[in-house]
Amino acid sequence: NAGVTQTPKFQVLKTGQSMTLQCAQDMNHEYMSWYRQDPGMGLRLIHYSVGAGITDQGEVPNGYNVSRSTTEDFPLRLLSAAPSQTSVYFCASSSGYQPQHFGDGTRLSIL
Amino acid sequence: AQTVTQSQPEMSVQEAETVTLSCTYDTSENNYYLFWYKQPPSRQMILVIRQEAYKQQNATENRFSVNFQKAAKSFSLKISDSQLGDTAMYFCAFMKPAGNQFYFGTGTSLTVIP
Repeated sequence: NAGVTQTPKFQVLKTGQSMTLQCAQDMNHEYMSWYRQDPGMGLRLIHYSVGAGITDQGEVPNGYNVSRSTTEDFPLRLLSAAPSQTSVYFCASSSGYQPQHFGDGTRLSIL
Repeated sequence: AQTVTQSQPEMSVQEAETVTLSCTYDTSENNYYLFWYKQPPSRQMILVIRQEAYKQQNATENRFSVNFQKAAKSFSLKISDSQLGDTAMYFCAFMKPAGNQFYFGTGTSLTVIP
């Protein structure tokens, strides 16, 4: 049972490049979220989805896009990477009133 | 908006002793859920314990227990018989049922000293 799978685990980008962080879950969860984790700031919500075709902004959405074409997948797109987006990114999924299940995270560095 | 505050950035405890991590939150919701997550150096986010706001009884999970004070909006985590493997960052989280939105505190870094 894979749970929540994030790829890649590590990535280095140059300023201005674009990339997509992948997230897939195999638990048929309706809710999925993307967070970024920065030192001293905990986890901050970037975007979330309550089901296929439905997404909404979280606390820090600027510079990121998401889509949810299937229940399983919730990719996060950086359109033009900036050094301020250097962070660890977590994807999570949940169902009903249950706790979130997290992926292992992606460490992203932008030079 | 919901906010979660963890006022202890770092704590330490001797092995086998007891430690309490603090968490307060602010919400106008009446029905919600609270969680503690553990993040060891491996970076994984691991659920420690969960509390439903409508339940008055404090949740327990082996050596982990909570002191949930709804009126005071306080949700502290007590770790008994601390073990070296408890060394980690601990995050308090609030969940609003509508949309399953989670809000996290800034974390407490706990070190268990042998």
